Amino acid sequence: EPEVTQTPSHQVTQMGQEVILRCVPISNHLYFYWYRQILGQKVEFLVSFYNNEISEKSEIFDDQFSVERPDGSNFTLKIRSTKLEDSAMYFCASKPAGNQPQHFGDGTRLSIL
Amino acid sequence: LAKTTQPISMDSYEGQEVNITCSHNNIATNDYITWYQQFPSQGPRFIIQGYKTKVTNEVASLFIPADRKSSTLSLPRVSLSDTAVYYCLVGDMEYGNKLVFGAGTILRVKS
Repeated sequence: EPEVTQTPSHQVTQMGQEVILRCVPISNHLYFYWYRQILGQKVEFLVSFYNNEISEKSEIFDDQFSVERPDGSNFTLKIRSTKLEDSAMYFCASKPAGNQPQHFGDGTRLSIL
Repeated sequence: LAKTTQPISMDSYEGQEVNITCSHNNIATNDYITWYQQFPSQGPRFIIQGYKTKVTNEVASLFIPADRKSSTLSLPRVSLSDTAVYYCLVGDMEYGNKLVFGAGTILRVKS
C-alpha cells in the first residue's frame, strides 16, 4: 500500500538555525498538508497546499514558515529561524481528489536546543 | 467544522469488542465522519470513514444513525496492539479542507 514518507525521522537543530523537513506524498494525490504535535498535546494544522499554492494556513504558520513543492514528488516545510517552542513532531499528509481521507506520514521529530 | 465529543479514555480486555461513540450535533449535510488511530511517536492512521448507516472494513465498523448526530466506531476482538488514541473527525472531505483534531479517546487494552 502506498504511503507518505518523511525524512529525517529525527532532526536536532540549534535555536536560530534553519531547518527543512521533507515529505514524499502519495503519488497522484492532489492536496498536501503539514501538521504538528507538541508532546502531549493535540495534532494541530499548519498549512494546506493545492495546485502549487497555499490554500489555507493557521496562525502558527507565520513568516518563519514556508512550504514548497520543488518537483513532482517532494513537499517541504522550512522553518527559517527555529525557536525552542518549535520542538514538536511534524506530520505531512496528502489526499486525493474527492471524498477521500488524508493519509499521514510517521513524522519528523524536531528538537530545538 | 462540526464540534465532536468523545470519551477521554476507555479500558478493555483482549478479545472484547470495543465501541467508541462520538457526538457531533452540528454535523452539516456535506460532512463525512472519519476515524483515525494514533500510536505514540507515529502519525495518525486512517481507520474508517462514512456518511450514513453502516460502513465496515477489515479492521473496524462505523455505525451512523439516521440523524447523523453521533457515530460509533466498533473494534471487534481487540488485542494489546490496539492500545492507542482514537480520533473522531467530522468535515467536508470533498475539497482539501484541514482536519481539526480533538484530544481523542485513549483506549487501553489489557491482558
